[in-house]
Amino acid sequence: AQSVTQLDSHVSVSEGTPVLLRCNYSSSYSPSLFWYVQHPNKGLQLLLKYTSAATLVKGINGFEAEFKKSETSFHLTKPSAHMSDAAEYFCVVSEMDSSYKLIFGSGTRLLVRP
Amino acid sequence: SQTIHQWPATLVQPVGSPLSLECTVEGTSNPNLYWYRQAAGRGLQLLFYSVGIGQISSEVPQNLSASRPQDRQFILSSKKLLLSDSGFYLCAWSLGVAGGLHQYFGPGTRLTVT
Repeated sequence: AQSVTQLDSHVSVSEGTPVLLRCNYSSSYSPSLFWYVQHPNKGLQLLLKYTSAATLVKGINGFEAEFKKSETSFHLTKPSAHMSDAAEYFCVVSEMDSSYKLIFGSGTRLLVRP
Repeated sequence: SQTIHQWPATLVQPVGSPLSLECTVEGTSNPNLYWYRQAAGRGLQLLFYSVGIGQISSEVPQNLSASRPQDRQFILSSKKLLLSDSGFYLCAWSLGVAGGLHQYFGPGTRLTVT
């Protein structure tokens, strides 16, 4: 069975400093991985996705993630945090059966200090 | 372009009352459809998914049910709400492999059972 583990429930950074949100996955085959963002009381928005092409994936709003098979990791980074980045971030893996269900991590809440 | 609608946006219902939440998708055909629940401070729990009209798969036992009467309409129902049904309900759609496996989420419905 596939799963994802988000290693930090909360991450706090100062505005203008780098962001690192950690995610490890477990999969018996080459996975499809995603990062979603959720602002308070809103639906989820896709930030970026990895589907076995380039291992460094660029997303919206300056975020990127690197797929590292040897480490089974898919960490999300951004060089410089903005106040508007404060939100909850979910690392997600897709089931490769006909349902294409998404398996969500427990989420990481990013706080950005002024 | 594709859009996904959910209504109502917020709902307050007494224990024991019925529930009907509706989700519709525009601009695509034969999508996979999903219902999720997000309890306060927690991740997303997949409740139901559907790969076609009249085809519903349940992920967790509960007093909720889902129906798909039309290709792009997905309804979440309950005959008698429980306090534990409170939460944020999200509908999502995807095209599976053809669409890149990721899902598009609606704006959500905040349900409070009193």
